[in-house]
Amino acid sequence: AQTVTQSQPEMSVQEAETVTLSCTYDTSESDYYLFWYKQPPSRQMILVIRQEAYKQQNATENRFSVNFQKAAKSFSLKISDSQLGDAAMYFCAYRSGVPNAGNNRKLIWGLGTSLAVNP
Amino acid sequence: DGGITQSPKYLFRKEGQNVTLSCEQNLNHDAMYWYRQDPGQGLRLIYYSQIVNDFQKGDIAEGYSVSREKKESFPLTVTSAQKNPTAFYLCASSMTAGTEAFFGQGTRLTVV
Repeated sequence: AQTVTQSQPEMSVQEAETVTLSCTYDTSESDYYLFWYKQPPSRQMILVIRQEAYKQQNATENRFSVNFQKAAKSFSLKISDSQLGDAAMYFCAYRSGVPNAGNNRKLIWGLGTSLAVNP
Repeated sequence: DGGITQSPKYLFRKEGQNVTLSCEQNLNHDAMYWYRQDPGQGLRLIYYSQIVNDFQKGDIAEGYSVSREKKESFPLTVTSAQKNPTAFYLCASSMTAGTEAFFGQGTRLTVV
């Protein structure tokens, strides 16, 4: 079974600085998707970025980028120029890309990293 | 605007009563999900549905029931058999061929 591990329960960063959140996963599949979701105090889950395993290029969305190391099964999130609004819980998630696998739409979640942004 | 609507935002229930949480989406997504979130435990899957009139148990389905009579709607009933129902509940949906899950704003259920 696939698992997702976020080893940093809490992180903090100074405003305008850069922070990296870690995520590792375990799978025997070669086709899958990885996601970072943000959950601010409002508690609505918001997609930050996604990465397809077959793509070697790291995904980027404005100030958010990932370092995807497929062989190491690592998927870290880098937040550049951190802003006060970035303060939130960040969850890493995995989804199988195997077609017609019965549960292939299920997301496997890490336990989250709470990010504080200090002014 | 397209999205997922959960209602109510806050819900109080007396012990021994069933309660139904609403989830509606107008994204034309085939798949819908219910998650439970407790402090320090991340998200746990309760039930999911890949098409209308079909649904499967997730990891913590005991004490919960669902229905999927319409594509747009996936209500969750928390029954009196659920031993510890106080939690934050999130509904999500995704496209058949897509990958991202989109979430509603959640319902905070408190048993009093």
